[in-house]
Amino acid sequence: SAVISQKPSRDICQRGTSLTIQCQVDSQVTMMFWYRQQPGQSLTLIATANQGSEATYESGFVIDKFPISRPNLTFSTLTVSNMSPEDSSIYLCSAVRAGGKEQYFGPGTRLTVT
Amino acid sequence: QKEVEQNSGPLSVPEGAIASLNCTYSDRGSQSFFWYRQYSGKSPELIMFIYSNGDKEDGRFTAQLNKASQYVSLLIRDSQPSDSATYLCAVDPLGNEKLTFGTGTRLTIIP
Repeated sequence: SAVISQKPSRDICQRGTSLTIQCQVDSQVTMMFWYRQQPGQSLTLIATANQGSEATYESGFVIDKFPISRPNLTFSTLTVSNMSPEDSSIYLCSAVRAGGKEQYFGPGTRLTVT
Repeated sequence: QKEVEQNSGPLSVPEGAIASLNCTYSDRGSQSFFWYRQYSGKSPELIMFIYSNGDKEDGRFTAQLNKASQYVSLLIRDSQPSDSATYLCAVDPLGNEKLTFGTGTRLTIIP
């Protein structure tokens, strides 16, 4: 499995501010994704992080709210912009190792917006 | 709309018994199926994946896939208290590694 780290592990932020979450993978991967898990719920895909180009967003998620970068194969960032309490959630990055289909998740970032 | 359905539970199973977790999916063209275990406060951990009809065994875990019935299950033999967790079924409907998750089944193993 790929070893995936995320920073920060948790944060408490004020309404209207932005937070950037970093995701680092230990090996060459093909795909990287960002998911959200709201309290007591399952995972929802936010976007696919594409290396060197704009991310591909799922329905209900937009670049202005969740800008994503992936400057190289093993690193990606997700920014949660202009936060509101509804953005309080766990944000997870995931990766698919080259040559496989299996997807592994980072430890997550627990975000609380007050 | 591509959906993945799971019984939310909670499912209680005595220690040492077989736990059976079920998942149905709506997209008949789905090719890849995954089971994740998620402990409270932790991120999902991949425990099984299956791509072909039939059974796939890995230790105490067996995944079963029936594409005709659009059904995938996870059996846990000799259940242990450490198996108590939420189990998430995930499907890749389009073969592009974008996963659709079920709502998860909360499993409790009773000592």
